[in-house]
Amino acid sequence: DVKVTQSSRYLVKRTGEKVFLECVQDMDHENMFWYRQDPGLGLRLIYFSYDVKMKEKGDIPEGYSVSREKKERFSLILESASTNQTSMYLCASSSPQGLLREKLFFGSGTQLSVL
Amino acid sequence: AQKITQTQPGMFVQEKEAVTLDCTYDTSDPSYGLFWYKQPSSGEMIFLIYQGSYDQQNATEGRYSLNFQKARKSANLVISASQLGDSAMYFCAMREVSGGYQKVTFGTGTKLQVIP
Repeated sequence: DVKVTQSSRYLVKRTGEKVFLECVQDMDHENMFWYRQDPGLGLRLIYFSYDVKMKEKGDIPEGYSVSREKKERFSLILESASTNQTSMYLCASSSPQGLLREKLFFGSGTQLSVL
Repeated sequence: AQKITQTQPGMFVQEKEAVTLDCTYDTSDPSYGLFWYKQPSSGEMIFLIYQGSYDQQNATEGRYSLNFQKARKSANLVISASQLGDSAMYFCAMREVSGGYQKVTFGTGTKLQVIP
């Protein structure tokens, strides 16, 4: 079974802190993604990566950065946490498939609260 | 305009009954993929079913089927014989090519509660 592991299930941070959210997958997937999930808004893509050291902005990258130094690990960084970044953060990975049928494998999420 | 619209924030269904979760999508691209994911209270999103835009038949996976009506741009999920374990959030999603990459857009979700 594909396993996507997020380092923390719950996290509480202070405004202005630098926050690291870690994600590791064990199935040698090329593609990795960070989403945030907010009630009534669904999932919104923050950043994604199709290869080591490669990153692309998603729909809401402001206030975030990412790092992918190894294939299995994709980190989301909040440079200076703000209260509007309180959210559920979901990491996902996938392997390329044809015909747009590539499905995502998700971690259990990190509920981040910024006080 | 919303790419994926799920108009039912919450739904109830009696155990053993069938239920339909609605999803409409918006794209001008002839090639796309449609997905449904389930998110139990544990938080992990689980893939349920896939429908390609060129698929002639509706997708089925066990108790899940996708009612694909291309002209109406709808991709409703049908769960037959509901079980208590089906209580969860359900998300419809669409994959298409955008800016040279494949992008996935999610709907806002439907919370399904199965009543014993």
